[in-house]
Amino acid sequence: QKEVEQNSGPLSVPEGAIASLNCTYSDRGSQSFFWYRQYSGKSPELIMFIYSNGDKEDGRFTAQLNKASQYVSLLIRDSQPSDSATYLCAVNTGFQKLVFGTGTRLLVSP
Amino acid sequence: KAGVTQTPRYLIKTRGQQVTLSCSPISGHRSVSWYQQTPGQGLQFLFEYFSETQRNKGNFPGRFSGRQFSNSRSEMNVSTLELGDSALYLCASSSRTSGSNQETQYFGPGTRLLVL
Repeated sequence: QKEVEQNSGPLSVPEGAIASLNCTYSDRGSQSFFWYRQYSGKSPELIMFIYSNGDKEDGRFTAQLNKASQYVSLLIRDSQPSDSATYLCAVNTGFQKLVFGTGTRLLVSP
Repeated sequence: KAGVTQTPRYLIKTRGQQVTLSCSPISGHRSVSWYQQTPGQGLQFLFEYFSETQRNKGNFPGRFSGRQFSNSRSEMNVSTLELGDSALYLCASSSRTSGSNQETQYFGPGTRLLVL
């Protein structure tokens, strides 16, 4: 079992819709969770972090964490074509070691 | 505030050679982590340095090494390059987010290494 799992996609949504990206992790002791966005040919860009159960909102983005289910999600409201990218879920396993999922490719069509 | 910088941005080497990559963290950040990204394996953790000490290491062979200087700048070295070392090498620096004990990592633009 991989430490962090994501559906590779692509996830296709129309412009203006809500995109829902999911991630599961295997280490129950994990404390902090991150979502990065990566455009083709670019480096990962931090979107959000979350470490408490529940929801955390920042603009159009909402991160959701359920430690009991070992599940993290990212919702993107009012999706825009510029949101088309690969979204990487990462879990900090200690001393700054981030374990990444393989990423979900999101395509937002105009 | 300037972001994480990495040099060089692109590099072509041949098998058997060695390479040194450099990373300058965001001003004030003392932790530097290195990652390798390939299409097949995704993003994988190499090692992390804090105050010139390696605190954590991933599952890479000893050909991969690193160090950190007193000004927090870091270098990583790959000796005896293999074709499979072709990858994007990313450096990330960390700060403590205000009001929490968590540290977020900010990535540099990466160094794209091609081994022929």
